[in-house]
Formats: sequence, structure tokens, C-alpha cells
Amino acid sequence: QSALTQPRSVSGSPGQSVTISCTGTSSDVGGYNYVSWYQQHPGKAPKLMIYDVSKRPSGVPDRFSGSKSGNTASLTISGLQAEDEADYYCCSYAGSYTSVVFGGGTKLTVL
Amino acid sequence: QVQLQESGPGLVKPSGTLSLTCAVSGGSISSSNWWSWVRQPPGKGLEWIGEIYHSGSTNYNPSLKSRVTISVDKSKNQFSLKLSSVTAADTAVYYCARDLMGCSSTSCLGYWGQGTLVTVSS
Repeated sequence: QSALTQPRSVSGSPGQSVTISCTGTSSDVGGYNYVSWYQQHPGKAPKLMIYDVSKRPSGVPDRFSGSKSGNTASLTISGLQAEDEADYYCCSYAGSYTSVVFGGGTKLTVL
Repeated sequence: QVQLQESGPGLVKPSGTLSLTCAVSGGSISSSNWWSWVRQPPGKGLEWIGEIYHSGSTNYNPSLKSRVTISVDKSKNQFSLKLSSVTAADTAVYYCARDLMGCSSTSCLGYWGQGTLVTVSS
């Protein structure tokens, strides 16, 4: 069982927006503004899309945005494109003992 | 641009020790970054294994801590993973990664190797 809870799957049509949730506890998501999101296409390494809750690394389109409320973080993808179809994982810093925890992953299908 | 490359045996026997190395190019292992290992069992999600700083400071996943050792070799600009007493449950793609400069924690892994599949089987 993963430390962070994500929906197993979400879907949307091209041009639409989708939001993926990531629920943790006050010991991880709720306790730190250190949530990151990764995109992973089949057979590829994960790619960092969002860090520190809402910051985008260089080169990541602004269609990807992140937010957090309490113990739940969210990734929103607007203007869905076919190439956004992938698995998405949230990740959070969880203190000096546990350090880093991942969510179980969400499969995004672009209809 | 930092590049990471994992290497090591693709097959390990049960009860044996899994050993992998991550070669770093385009940057120094002695930079102000944390270097991590992450694994992904076939068809499953990501699991953080642990991390190391060039000083030798380490942090490990509590669930694996008793079996994991991560070390750094500055002379070769690489870091390594050892996982002991392996079972079939340790079969996974193993990735090495580095945090993103400017990130506030070590949970933002901005650079990844391509991953290497390690199968535990007799």
C-alpha cells in the first residue's frame, strides 16, 4: 500500500482539463510544501513536472499546474493533448525519518 | 546537462545481494545535490529506496533500511546501491536520480537514468 493515495485512473477529451488528487497526512503532504509530480510514459523514466507544490521546471508547459489544500495535493492539466496520456505520480517529502514517499500512480487516458 | 547511467547484473539469485552503480556525467558527484535510488516493480508504482550526499550522509526508506547501503565514489564520479537478502519481491526496474537544483527538498528528482531491470530468480 502506497503512502499517498491517488485515483487509479482519470480520463478526459482533448482540450479539456483534468485534475489528479493526491491525499496524504499531516506528516507528509500536509506538513510540508514539498510536493512534486512526475509523468511517466510506458518504458520511460519518470519526468518531473511540478515541484514545491506549484513550481514548474524549465521546459514544462504551463498547461500543468499544481496546488495543495490541507493533506491533499492536486495536479491539473488543462488543454489536454494526446501526448499527455501517461501515468502520473505524486511525491512528498515526509520528514527526516521517512524522507520521501510516492503515491500509487494515476493512469491518464486522453479519449 | 547532467546524465545518469545505471549498470549492474540483470539477474540476482534469491538471498543474494543486488549491486548497482550509477555513473554521473555532465556534472560532479560533489555538487550540492542529493543522489537517489528509486525502483519500480513490473506493472507497479514507484518506490523511493534512499539517497546520499557527497559527504556520505544517507537517508533510507524505513521499510528497506535494514537491507540497503548506498555509497559514493568521488574518484569515479558515481554512486552505488547494495540491497541484501533479495527475494522475488525485489524484482524491479531500478532508477538512479538527482534532485533539481533550486528545489526546496530532495523529493524533486529532476534528473533520472534510463533504468535497469533487475530480476531475482534462481
